[in-house]
Amino acid sequence: DQQVKQNSPSLSVQEGRISILNCDYTNSMFDYFLWYKKYPAEGPTFLISISSIKDKNEDGRFTVFLNKSAKHLSLHIVPSQPGDSAVYFCAASPYGYDQNFVFGPGTRLSVLP
Amino acid sequence: EAEVAQSPRYKITEKSQAVAFWCDPISGHATLYWYRQILGQGPELLVQFQDESVVDDSQLPKDRFSAERLKGVDSTLKIQPAELGDSAMYLCASRAPGANTGELFFGEGSRLTVL
Repeated sequence: DQQVKQNSPSLSVQEGRISILNCDYTNSMFDYFLWYKKYPAEGPTFLISISSIKDKNEDGRFTVFLNKSAKHLSLHIVPSQPGDSAVYFCAASPYGYDQNFVFGPGTRLSVLP
Repeated sequence: EAEVAQSPRYKITEKSQAVAFWCDPISGHATLYWYRQILGQGPELLVQFQDESVVDDSQLPKDRFSAERLKGVDSTLKIQPAELGDSAMYLCASRAPGANTGELFFGEGSRLTVL
């Protein structure tokens, strides 16, 4: 039973446009969320995080939105760049950041020049 | 820049053989994780260490998998005997004490192919 879902296996976006990656979770105890980016043959790298006390967190071109009532979060990348092409994983943790994280299956983003 | 070191990067073995992976976390990182990532899926936690103690190994198939972190620094993950379904990327990650973001730093992974 997947507790963290990323229902779009892949997404293609034109360079300069907005990329929106979605993530849904089922466990209401999750209250801390992270996004990771993974290039081929490399380990995942941390991108941005959000705790359940916020509904938005922004870092440069990356913004994460959290809708607790819908158990849904999204990652917005504006503007998208070819270097953003990677697999993006959503991860969630219960009881704050100190616990282990449950990862979604990932969404492969392709930014087309 | 400090990195999580893992070896080997690639391992091909036959089923029923023994395999071992090594991880050296970033210096000072007390928390160490081993994740398994099957192709097309997200990473799944196998075991979490706090210093030399196991915090969570509920998802570790203990009949064939073992993990240790004897001195609370580097760690070894062993599989014996390997099965075809063990083919995956094995990722090690570490986290700084008291890190506000909860960010995990991942190594490049060890890709296992079991024939």
